[in-house]
Amino acid sequence: KQEVTQIPAALSVPEGENLVLNCSFTDSAIYNLQWFRQDPGKGLTSLLLIQSSQREQTSGRLNASLDKSSGRSTLYIAASQPGDSATYLCAGLYNNNDMRFGAGTRLTVKP
Amino acid sequence: NAGVTQTPKFRVLKTGQSMTLLCAQDMNHEYMYWYRQDPGMGLRLIHYSVGEGTTAKGEVPDGYNVSRLKKQNFLLGLESAAPSQTSVYFCASTLQAGRYEQFFGPGTRLTVL
Repeated sequence: KQEVTQIPAALSVPEGENLVLNCSFTDSAIYNLQWFRQDPGKGLTSLLLIQSSQREQTSGRLNASLDKSSGRSTLYIAASQPGDSATYLCAGLYNNNDMRFGAGTRLTVKP
Repeated sequence: NAGVTQTPKFRVLKTGQSMTLLCAQDMNHEYMYWYRQDPGMGLRLIHYSVGEGTTAKGEVPDGYNVSRLKKQNFLLGLESAAPSQTSVYFCASTLQAGRYEQFFGPGTRLTVL
């Protein structure tokens, strides 16, 4: 069974700190992995998409990596800001239509 | 472009009542999805569609039906609502599964009493 896990469930850091969010998956037969941001009471906003043939993707202060052999992906946020406070979700796509989500990491960046 | 929109935003039902959730996208996407999000569990796929007139079951399809009569719309129906269907429902779409990112709607918060 394909399972996606995100640890920790919550993380609090001071403004300006660089941080890493972790995502692990049990089945390496993954088509791609997507990172999302979700603000309270809102929908999901796509941050980065990494194809199975790629190792990493970058967008601004965000960098996501993918290691299929170890079943891990990380989201690196540089120079964190209070506006980065949100829940971050990772999701692995299997069989072209079966996307499995982690439960998310709730990030708080304190001014 | 409005992207992915969902109607209604909130709804309260009594056990046994029926309702339909509407998802619309204006990006000419082929693939559309319905998910539910429950506390501490992440999103789970209910049903999906790979094109107009097609639907398929996801991870948790029981108690739900769907229809994709038009390419831009994907409807999720609850024929006889149960308290276990209290959740936040999200619709998503993508141009091509496996190649492009999924775009999500704002969600519908459903409470079944």
